[in-house]
Amino acid sequence: AQSVSQHNHHVILSEAASLELGCNYSYGGTVNLFWYVQYPGQHLQLLLKYFSGDPLVKGIKGFEAEFIKSKFSFNLRKPSVQWSDTAEYFCAVKGSASGGYQKVTFGTGTKLQVIP
Amino acid sequence: EAQVTQNPRYLITVTGKKLTVTCSQNMNHEYMSWYRQDPGLGLRQIYYSMNVEVTDKGDVPEGYKVSRKEKRNFPLILESPSPNQTSLYFCASRSPNSGRRDTQYFGPGTRLTVL
Repeated sequence: AQSVSQHNHHVILSEAASLELGCNYSYGGTVNLFWYVQYPGQHLQLLLKYFSGDPLVKGIKGFEAEFIKSKFSFNLRKPSVQWSDTAEYFCAVKGSASGGYQKVTFGTGTKLQVIP
Repeated sequence: EAQVTQNPRYLITVTGKKLTVTCSQNMNHEYMSWYRQDPGLGLRQIYYSMNVEVTDKGDVPEGYKVSRKEKRNFPLILESPSPNQTSLYFCASRSPNSGRRDTQYFGPGTRLTVL
């Protein structure tokens, strides 16, 4: 069964600090990987996704993530955070085998608080 | 505009009173899912549907039912709600055969409180 671990449950940063949120997954085959963001009181929105090709993926709002297959990791990064980045961030994994239902499994989330 | 809608957005009810949360998508997606979000537990899948009349249990299906009579709608039914079903519920849809566009779209959420 696939699983996702997000080790940072709550991160507090000052504005302009750099951000890296960890995400490790467990799955025995080829995967698709996602980062979602949930702003306070809102639904989940896709930040970025990895399907294949370049392991460095750029998303919206200056976020990027790097897929490191050997480490089963897909860490989210941003060089300089803003107060508006305060939100909860979820990593998710989906097996990419063809045929049948491919479930999307979410991590437990990381709450990011950016202090002005 | 492509969207997933849910109703109601907020609901307070009492133990044992049957309720239905509706979900509708306008993207002609085959796959739809229901998740519940609880602090420290992230999103857990309740039920999913691969197409009309095809549904299956997710990770936490106890106490819930679903139906998929039309492609666009996927209601979540709580026959006899209990306080442990107090949670934030999200409906989601995606198209599995769209390659790199296979991304889930989420509804706005339904915050349910069972007293």
